[in-house]
Amino acid sequence: GQQVMQIPQYQHVQEGEDFTTYCNSSTTLSNIQWYKQRPGGHPVFLIQLVKSGEVKKQKRLTFQFGEAKKNSSLHITATQTTDVGTYFCAGPGSGYSTLTFGKGTMLLVSP
Amino acid sequence: NAGVTQTPKFQVLKTGQSMTLQCAQDMNHEYMSWYRQDPGMGLRLIHYSVGAGITDQGEVPNGYNVSRSTTEDFPLRLLSAAPSQTSVYFCASSLQQGPFTEAFFGQGTRLTVV
Repeated sequence: GQQVMQIPQYQHVQEGEDFTTYCNSSTTLSNIQWYKQRPGGHPVFLIQLVKSGEVKKQKRLTFQFGEAKKNSSLHITATQTTDVGTYFCAGPGSGYSTLTFGKGTMLLVSP
Repeated sequence: NAGVTQTPKFQVLKTGQSMTLQCAQDMNHEYMSWYRQDPGMGLRLIHYSVGAGITDQGEVPNGYNVSRSTTEDFPLRLLSAAPSQTSVYFCASSLQQGPFTEAFFGQGTRLTVV
């Protein structure tokens, strides 16, 4: 099945700094989803990108899908302590019947 | 709507014991799946079901069984627990099969095998 690779694995920022996590695939993706998991919690859906070059915004979060549909990014502007958690990207799995998750980027924000 | 409900939240098993992790959803979703989450490994798919009576294996199915007798329920059975199965288990459901549909996750079951 397809795999999505996420970098970095971990990032520690000061509150107010920006943060970006990247998701890469060796093959073209039909779509990409992003999830957030708070410490001790469960993954929660954030957004889905489908079109080449698509950019979507949710307040301080900006999501991009690459032109070749092989990569995606999540950028957080001026992080807050409420942004702490692990961010996962997810793409099509084997036979396009499942979701395959990246290993996630853990974000820690210090006040 | 309760969404996706998993029980128990925590469980400690001895090596060799068997148990069933329960998962129920009240959203009338056709697609349900089980993932395990280990540090640094992300979410790995164990088994999934595209509807009542239909199940299939995911990436890491060994040591686990599933069945889907109703649309609502998708239990995960550990046949003979091993320390390598210590993990956090998440059940998820989606309206449809495939990668385009939002997945709704349960609260998780934290399992320790000693």
